[in-house]
Amino acid sequence: EAGVAQSPRYKIIEKRQSVAFWCNPISGHATLYWYQQILGQGPKLLIQFQNNGVVDDSQLPKDRFSAERLKGVDSTLKIQPAKLEDSAVYLCASSLDGRGQETQYFGPGTRLLVL
Amino acid sequence: TQLLEQSPQFLSIQEGENLTVYCNSSSVFSSLQWYRQEPGEGPVLLVTVVTGGEVKKLKRLTFQFGDARKDSSLHITAAQPGDTGLYLCAGASNTGKLIFGQGTTLQVKP
Repeated sequence: EAGVAQSPRYKIIEKRQSVAFWCNPISGHATLYWYQQILGQGPKLLIQFQNNGVVDDSQLPKDRFSAERLKGVDSTLKIQPAKLEDSAVYLCASSLDGRGQETQYFGPGTRLLVL
Repeated sequence: TQLLEQSPQFLSIQEGENLTVYCNSSSVFSSLQWYRQEPGEGPVLLVTVVTGGEVKKLKRLTFQFGDARKDSSLHITAAQPGDTGLYLCAGASNTGKLIFGQGTTLQVKP
């Protein structure tokens, strides 16, 4: 079974530029999550989708971050404009239907460096 | 705001030693999960504990959930270099939202 796919794996941009990350979850998984993991910290949830609807985006900085999952399958996360403090690993995860005890399967992440 | 505090943040030990990592919160979670993350990879689930007082064993790893479902511990017996990595605890709500601790970086030297 294929795991969660993310691209690109690495990205270096200058501040004020825009960047987009792509995630393809495990086939059949209704719930998709985007996390931000700053070096030395645990992942922080940015947004949770159930199919193509948003369940939780309370910690998404909406002035510069946006995410969509139009067909309820793959998803993109965009940052525009990027700030230095956005340097982090962006992890995508998916689970079967978003219940509390479910396993979340994580992709390898996209490592972003903002200069 | 729900927070999970892990301790210690860093641990460097010799092969064969035992260790315990703690995860504490002032909030009650519906379940608590432990993950292991290697450099350049995403976290991988080790175990989910659900019931207060629950103990689960996974080979040399023992996980315990506190009676009040606010804290948890991970004990590794006879650590091996292959155990090196970042260990994360995460509290789960009933909507699937995970709150992660800041992680414990474990280095096991041969």
